[in-house]
Formats: sequence, structure tokens, C-alpha cells
Amino acid sequence: KQEVTQIPAALSVPEGENLVLNCSFTDSAIYNLQWFRQDPGKGLTSLLLIQSSQREQTSGRLNASLDKSSGRSTLYIAASQPGDSATYLCAVDNAGNMLTFGGGTRLMVKP
Amino acid sequence: GAGVSQSPSNKVTEKGKDVELRCDPISGHTALYWYRQRLGQGLEFLIYFQGNSAPDKSGLPSDRFSAERTGESVSTLTIQRTQQEDSAVYLCASSLAPTDGGYGYTFGSGTRLTVV
Repeated sequence: KQEVTQIPAALSVPEGENLVLNCSFTDSAIYNLQWFRQDPGKGLTSLLLIQSSQREQTSGRLNASLDKSSGRSTLYIAASQPGDSATYLCAVDNAGNMLTFGGGTRLMVKP
Repeated sequence: GAGVSQSPSNKVTEKGKDVELRCDPISGHTALYWYRQRLGQGLEFLIYFQGNSAPDKSGLPSDRFSAERTGESVSTLTIQRTQQEDSAVYLCASSLAPTDGGYGYTFGSGTRLTVV
């Protein structure tokens, strides 16, 4: 059974810092890995999708990497802003029919 | 439509009543998923529909929960005889055929269900 772990569970940083969120998974036979953002009381917004054959994806100040063999992904946020404050979720798709989510990293960026 | 639409956005119901939640997936998305998120907790898989195949119901927590989808269109999640532990945000997602893993999931904004 796939298990997904995110570290840290919570993170508070001053504005402008570069930061790294970590995601690990136990079963490396994945279809893809997706990073989401969730604001309080809201649904999920997709940030980046990395297919199993890819090593990284970039969108603006976000960069996600995937090391399938070691079961790890990182989300790098450059020059963090208060608007980046949210919960970031990592989710792995093993069989194309269900995402397994990590517990999330709750990020607070202070002005 | 442009995104996954869920209704209602909020629902307050009395314990013991039945509720029906609706999800309109993105047009052309053959796969549809329901997840549940209790307050302060992670997302739990409930059910998955793929085209006209039999749905994967392995995540439904009890026989009070059921879901339907006609073809590749709207889905409804029904909770009978609601209990307070059913209070959660119910999220729907859709994607293109997931067989090659190249497509991500698009989530709706969810329905916040409160059972009083």
C-alpha cells in the first residue's frame, strides 16, 4: 500500500526566503506525482504535475523535482511571498485510478 | 465547463437526514473521483468512476454512502441517515483517461457538509 509523507508538517518563514518542501513515498512504481495548494476552506489548486518519466517541472517561482528510484520529490519555492501562505499537498498516482495524498505542509510566509 | 463544479458549496443538515452532493466534471474528462477531507485531516479516497466501467467503491466508509454517474457526465454522492462524523468537505476531481498516467487531476472547490 502506497504511503506518502510530507516534511515538515508546518513551516514559518520571513518573506523573501527560498524554501524546500519534501515529499516521500514508499512505492516507486508511480504513474505521476502532483503538487497541490490548498487555501483555508477552499478546494485544491494544481501547481505542478511530474510524469514518472520526468525529473522536474517548473512554473514561475515553483520548481518540483522527482527522484522515483529513491521515492522522493521536492517542491522549491523561490523568493517566497505572503500570498504563498497555504497548505501544500503532494499526491502520488500509482495505478491511474486513485491519488494517495501526504499530510501536507502548512506554510506561513510573514511580511 | 472551464473547471470542476460542485454544488452546493455549503450544506447544513440535521442528523438522520439524507443529503445529495453534485459534481459537474470538466467536459471530456472520462475519470471522476470523490474524496473526503475532515477538519484538520488529509484527503480520503471515496469512489472512482472511469467511463462506463464499474466504479471502484473501495473507499466508501459505510453502506450509507453511495454515488452515481451516468456516462461521462454529472455525478451525485448521496449520504443517507447522516451522522455527525460525516461532517467534512467533500471534494470531486476529474481527469482525462488515466491509463498512461500523463494527466493530472482537477479538483472542484468542494462541498462543506455540516451535520448538526
